Amino acid sequence: GDSVTQMEGPVTLSEEAFLTINCTYTATGYPSLFWYVQYPGEGLQLLLKATKADDKGSNKGFEATYRKETTSFHLEKGSVQVSDSAVYFCALRETDSWGKLQFGAGTQVVVTP
Amino acid sequence: GAVVSQHPSRVICKSGTSVKIECRSLDFQATTMFWYRQFPKQSLMLMATSNEGSKATYEQGVEKDKFLINHASLTLSTLTVTSAHPEDSSFYICSAITDTQYFGPGTRLTVL
Repeated sequence: GDSVTQMEGPVTLSEEAFLTINCTYTATGYPSLFWYVQYPGEGLQLLLKATKADDKGSNKGFEATYRKETTSFHLEKGSVQVSDSAVYFCALRETDSWGKLQFGAGTQVVVTP
Repeated sequence: GAVVSQHPSRVICKSGTSVKIECRSLDFQATTMFWYRQFPKQSLMLMATSNEGSKATYEQGVEKDKFLINHASLTLSTLTVTSAHPEDSSFYICSAITDTQYFGPGTRLTVL
C-alpha cells in the first residue's frame, strides 16, 4: 500500500539557517503530494502541494519539488525564523481518493534565536 | 481561512465510560468530514469518513461499534468512543473539506 516516510525529528536549527526535511513515498498510482504544518495548539495547515511530477510547490519561503524518479518531495527553506518552529507533515493522496491523505510521522522543527 | 474546531481539546476518562468529541466547521458547511487518529510519534491514520445525513464509512480495521460517528448537520460531526479502554488513548483529529482540506486542532483522549 501507499506510504510516506519522512526524517525523524526533532530538528534544531539556529535562526537564518537552511532547513531541509526529507520525504519519500511509495504509491501505486500518481499521487498528489502535500506538506502540512502544525503550529503549537493549532490544527494542521496546508503549507504547499504539488499534483504532478516536476511540479514545485512553494509558500512562505518553503519549497518542495515532486520528483517521480526518486519518489521524493523534500521540503526546503533557505532561511528559517523562530516562527517556523512547528511540526511538519508530508502527505500523499491518490487520484480520486478525496480526503484520504496518507501522512508521514511528522518532523518537529525547533528554531532558536 | 476556514476554521475547524474541536471540543474538548483534552479529556481524561475512566475505563469503560464513553466519550464524545465534537468537530465543527465554523464558517462553512461541510457535507463530508474525516476523523483521524494519531499515536505518539506516528502518522495520522484515517479512521472514517463522516457524511452528513448518512452512515459513516470506516477504514479497514476500525471498529464501527466502538467509534460511533454522527454527522447530524452540515457543520457538526461527533465521534463517540464507546466503552473506552486505555488502548484508545490517543490524539483524535477531524478534518473538513471545502476548496481544500482543513484540520481541527485535535483532542487528546486519555483513558485511565
